[in-house]
Amino acid sequence: DAKTTQPNSMESNEEEPVHLPCNHSTISGTDYIHWYRQLPSQGPEYVIHGLTSNVNNRMASLAIAEDRKSSTLILHRATLRDAAVYYCILRDEGSSNTGKLIFGQGTTLQVKP
Amino acid sequence: NAGVTQTPKFQVLKTGQSMTLQCAQDMNHEYMSWYRQDPGMGLRLIHYSVGAGITDQGEVPNGYNVSRSTTEDFPLRLLSAAPSQTSVYFCASRPPGSYTEAFFGQGTRLTVV
Repeated sequence: DAKTTQPNSMESNEEEPVHLPCNHSTISGTDYIHWYRQLPSQGPEYVIHGLTSNVNNRMASLAIAEDRKSSTLILHRATLRDAAVYYCILRDEGSSNTGKLIFGQGTTLQVKP
Repeated sequence: NAGVTQTPKFQVLKTGQSMTLQCAQDMNHEYMSWYRQDPGMGLRLIHYSVGAGITDQGEVPNGYNVSRSTTEDFPLRLLSAAPSQTSVYFCASRPPGSYTEAFFGQGTRLTVV
């Protein structure tokens, strides 16, 4: 599986935008980029995913570089509830159908009031 | 909807004891997985299944067994508990496909003394 690299931690002020980067220089053409987050003492939850084009949903936006070697998760107005560990994951089941979802270390986001 | 349900939420075992962590999902998802999360670490994949009767090893399978007799259930068995297995265990389910969203349970906090 292609590897992702994320900063260990980031800080943000409440109600300001947050840009969480992810590098994936060895991404293949069929890898989907997924983001999950884990709130304290909870299981991970899905945030957003994309393949080539930028994506928006009610939680966040995902900006994907033209060469797909990096992506950025954008929280438009951070709230205290957004303090969590954010994981960037690449997935490509292709013909192997392995079903594996592999997590890295993620980025711990701290939101200050 | 119940989603992914894990039982028990907390468990204390003595070294050498065996037990089964239960995971059930009501979304008819083919794929299910078990992860462990040690303090301050990301999730590591233990075992996963792409359908009833089909299981495979993840990153850290030693000391654990799984079976998948139905689509709904994916129990994780600890054969002889060791202190190194003290961790929080998460179960997840999702439909097949590189773009699909995974759903996680709330976790089982296991302490082996």
